[in-house]
Amino acid sequence: KAGVTQTPRYLIKTRGQQVTLSCSPISGHRSVSWYQQTPGQGLQFLFEYFSETQRNKGNFPGRFSGRQFSNSRSEMNVSTLELGDSALYLCATSPGTSGNYGYTFGSGTRLTVV
Amino acid sequence: GQQVMQIPQYQHVQEGEDFTTYCNSSTTLSNIQWYKQRPGGHPVFLIQLVKSGEVKKQKRLTFQFGEAKKNSSLHITATQTTDVGTYFCAGLLNDMRFGAGTRLTVKP
Repeated sequence: KAGVTQTPRYLIKTRGQQVTLSCSPISGHRSVSWYQQTPGQGLQFLFEYFSETQRNKGNFPGRFSGRQFSNSRSEMNVSTLELGDSALYLCATSPGTSGNYGYTFGSGTRLTVV
Repeated sequence: GQQVMQIPQYQHVQEGEDFTTYCNSSTTLSNIQWYKQRPGGHPVFLIQLVKSGEVKKQKRLTFQFGEAKKNSSLHITATQTTDVGTYFCAGLLNDMRFGAGTRLTVKP
């Protein structure tokens, strides 16, 4: 059974650019949540998608957006990158909506903004 | 910001000693989950607690959910070097909110 796949694994971008990250969940997992992990702030919730609908959104600026496709794959986009956006971005998937099942995390995308 | 508080931030123990991390919320949680993240890795789900006062065990790990469903703890008996990592709690409010984690190091 394939795990949660996040691409790319590493990314270096320049301030002002935009970036798109991808997450392919385990087969049968319809919920995809995104988290930003930094040493100082821990795991911060970005948003959750279920059946192509955004169910919840964390306290991040509008530069952070996401979507989910009919096959449950999800993408998140960050526009006008800032240095502070450098972090590990993790997607977490589960069969149903958040909290009812344990998450399976991907290995993350390490984004560095220079 | 964080609505689930976790302490301590760091814990260094001698192999064989016990370890406990605590998780607290200002509001009642629907459930609580625990995860372990090894250095350089990603969080891995350990367990979910749902009922008030619930206690679950996994070998040397004991998980508790408080009576008021506002706090939880993870206790490891006789730590081993394989226990090294960061332990996170996550509580369900409107979404899953993670504590800041407790980083455990074990000296052989």
